[in-house]
Amino acid sequence: EVQLVESGGGFIQPGGSLRLSCAASGFSVSSNYMSWVRQGPGKGLEGVSFIYSGGGTYYADSVKGRFTISRDNSKNTLYLQMNSLRVEDTAVYYCATHPARGEWGQGTLVTVSS
Amino acid sequence: EIVLTQSPGTLSLSPGERATLSCRASQSISSSYLAWYQQKPGQAPRVLIYGASNRATGIPDRFSGSGSGTDFALTISRLEPEDFAVYYCQQYGNSPYTFGQGTKLEIK
Repeated sequence: EVQLVESGGGFIQPGGSLRLSCAASGFSVSSNYMSWVRQGPGKGLEGVSFIYSGGGTYYADSVKGRFTISRDNSKNTLYLQMNSLRVEDTAVYYCATHPARGEWGQGTLVTVSS
Repeated sequence: EIVLTQSPGTLSLSPGERATLSCRASQSISSSYLAWYQQKPGQAPRVLIYGASNRATGIPDRFSGSGSGTDFALTISRLEPEDFAVYYCQQYGNSPYTFGQGTKLEIK
């Protein structure tokens, strides 16, 4: 059974840093497209960052230069390092597989506030 | 980047009725790489349709997807009470993969 479990969210002041983790089971993170998608309060879905099986990455303009996506093949885990956090980064962050696979984690809440 | 526009923003229908949700792309989506998701409050999105018309595992056959190029639709043939939710389309034919803004399906 495929499972994605996010962790690492929490309350942080503007300018702070957090690292989100997405532990995968039932498939290999290293050989699959993986993404981080966020949803602000009362808002729609926004693709934040993707990593392709070959290692190529993408970042939304809103997070470019501040967020870094990575993976640890030995731990079968996806990460999102978030630096210089802003109030507008407040959201539930989901990790997800390729749309044709359609697996999502339960999400982890990040709240950026002073 | 491909922009997806969903319509209507809100759709008010009664159980048993037919629902048709639209997703229009700013440019043609290659190979009909379009997915539809359902999201209920407090839950992660759930994939319903991928490849424009393929139902995901476990999705009831009252859900169907259609379309190609720039115009796609999700049809729910007879609404059940559990179908009232927010629906999103996502294209994955061109990088970056992008989402529509969502259609809220509410009980009339």
